[in-house]
Amino acid sequence: AQSVAQPEDQVNVAEGNPLTVKCTYSVSGNPYLFWYVQYPNRGLQFLLKYITGDNLVKGSYGFEAEFNKSQTSFHLKKPSALVSDSALYFCAVRVQPLYNFNKFYFGSGTKLNVKP
Amino acid sequence: DGGITQSPKYLFRKEGQNVTLSCEQNLNHDAMYWYRQDPGQGLRLIYYSQIVNDFQKGDIAEGYSVSREKKESFPLTVTSAQKNPTAFYLCASSVEGTGAYEQYFGPGTRLTVT
Repeated sequence: AQSVAQPEDQVNVAEGNPLTVKCTYSVSGNPYLFWYVQYPNRGLQFLLKYITGDNLVKGSYGFEAEFNKSQTSFHLKKPSALVSDSALYFCAVRVQPLYNFNKFYFGSGTKLNVKP
Repeated sequence: DGGITQSPKYLFRKEGQNVTLSCEQNLNHDAMYWYRQDPGQGLRLIYYSQIVNDFQKGDIAEGYSVSREKKESFPLTVTSAQKNPTAFYLCASSVEGTGAYEQYFGPGTRLTVT
């Protein structure tokens, strides 16, 4: 079965410090990996995705993510956190499909708190 | 929130009533989805549609129904058979196919049933 785990319900970081939000996955096949951000009472916004190639993916708002195949991880990172980065972050995976259905498997979300 | 609109933003209903949530997209996407979001549980797939006039059950379809009569529209009906309907509902769309296509989400509808 396909699954995505975000082991931390909440991450606290001071403004200006680097941040990491963790994601691990378990899939049968090669994954497409995604990060989304959700602000309160809003929909999810796409941040970045990994398809293949370079293990470090750069995305919107200064975020990047590192794909590690051996550890089956896709951690979200940012060198210097902003208070405005405070939000709920979701990791998602889609397996390079055998079927023609774009099903995503979402993690349970990690709440990022950036303190001034 | 891209080119997807959901209405209304907040919806209140009495138990035993059916209610329909609207989802419209102008992205020319073939695929559309409905998710339910509960605190601490991430997103769970209710229904999806890959093409007009066709849709499939997701992981938690019981108590819900959908239609896909137009490419742009994918309304969700929460029926009285849904035992715990209070939740945040998200509609999404994407390019259909086997590539790494991200999903685009609407702003959501928060449904409260009392």
